[in-house]
Amino acid sequence: EVQLVESGGGLVEPGRSLRLSCTASGFTFGDYAMSWFRQAPGKGLEWVGYIRSKAYGGTPEYAASVVARFTISRDDSKTIAYLQLNSLKIEDTAVYYCSRRSGASVGDSFDIWGQGTMVTVSS
Amino acid sequence: QSVLTQPPSVSAAPGQKVTISCSGSSSNIGNNYVSWYQQLPGTAPKLLIYDNNKRPSGIPDRFSGSKSGTSATLGITGLQTGDEADYYCGTWDRSLSAYVFGTGTKVTVL
Repeated sequence: EVQLVESGGGLVEPGRSLRLSCTASGFTFGDYAMSWFRQAPGKGLEWVGYIRSKAYGGTPEYAASVVARFTISRDDSKTIAYLQLNSLKIEDTAVYYCSRRSGASVGDSFDIWGQGTMVTVSS
Repeated sequence: QSVLTQPPSVSAAPGQKVTISCSGSSSNIGNNYVSWYQQLPGTAPKLLIYDNNKRPSGIPDRFSGSKSGTSATLGITGLQTGDEADYYCGTWDRSLSAYVFGTGTKVTVL
């Protein structure tokens, strides 16, 4: 079964750090770009960033709202994508989802999603 | 705030049809493919439509997508109670260098 499972969320104080993990199974992880999204309570979806597959350089891209604070990385040997969240702000409180960029799509679309992990930033 | 605009809500009786619009600009919808996502209450988003009008395996043909100029539309026919969810359009925006979502539309089955 193709699956993504996020972990690492929790309650953290403003200014602190947290690392989220996205463990993949059921597909050849290294062949796919992986993306992170978030959804604040009661709000819509927001793209956080993505990391290309190694075949396309393995480089990340970020949304303007998180660049220089968040870092996306991947370990293809472990089939895990990571999201390092630094200098957390209260407005970073959200459910964080990882997702696989569809290999069947010409444009950008995301066909497999994890269940999400909640990050709460509060003092 | 989102650069893609959707109506906040649409509703119809079971068996009827609804359409959801997604309005953007030349920097996003006008020059990129559109996807649509369904988010049932308390769950992760699910891909419904990709590349404007293609359905992933397992998505019934009650769901359809189209694009014209800087707008896209999701259609749902034969509405079912299980279709009650939030629906989002999404695409790449070349000016923002970011993937952007619509404001989201809540579908209610009367």
